[in-house]
Amino acid sequence: EVQLLESGGGLVQPGGSLRLSCVASGFTFSNFAMSWVRQAPGKGLEWVSRIDNSGGGTYYADSVKGRFTISRDNSKNTLYLQMNGLRVEDTAVYYCAKRYWSGGIGWFDPWGQGTLVTVSS
Amino acid sequence: AIQMTQSPSSLSASVGDTITITCRASQDIRSALGWYQQKPGTAPKLLIYGASSVQSGVPSRFSGSGSGTHFTLTISSLQPEDFTTYYCLQDYNFPYTFGQGTKLEIK
Repeated sequence: EVQLLESGGGLVQPGGSLRLSCVASGFTFSNFAMSWVRQAPGKGLEWVSRIDNSGGGTYYADSVKGRFTISRDNSKNTLYLQMNGLRVEDTAVYYCAKRYWSGGIGWFDPWGQGTLVTVSS
Repeated sequence: AIQMTQSPSSLSASVGDTITITCRASQDIRSALGWYQQKPGTAPKLLIYGASSVQSGVPSRFSGSGSGTHFTLTISSLQPEDFTTYYCLQDYNFPYTFGQGTKLEIK
């Protein structure tokens, strides 16, 4: 069974840092791109970042560019999101998702259960 | 960034009804669109990918259509478990962008 398990969320003050992790199991992690998506309380979904399967290509939403860094350790089947310079508006549940690609079509499946990041003084 | 305009933002319907949700892209995204269902307190779940392909295990009452800039999600013969929130997502260009969501409520 394919599973994604996020961790690392918590309460942090504005300007602080946090590193999220997403441990994958049930599939060959190194074969798939991965993404982070977040959802502020009571709000819609926002794509945050994507990393290619090898880690060679990374992409970010404008709202986090320059503050967040996505990375992966394929030997540990783990995806990371290093979040620096956190702002109140970064408060959200952060989900990791496996990026599936086939026949020129891509999609996100499955998603982890999410980890809550709260930025507050 | 490509803007995804999803409508309606909320919708009331009855069990057994057929409903349609629309997403419009601000530019041509070919068929690079997915539909996701999210129940309260849980992660999103993939329903449709490539605009019209139904994910394995998803009931056949869910269908998607469209290409270019206009896309629809249709749910026929609504079941009680379908009353929740739906999002479209374009993954044609970075940054990927979601629609604002549609909350489907029981009438």
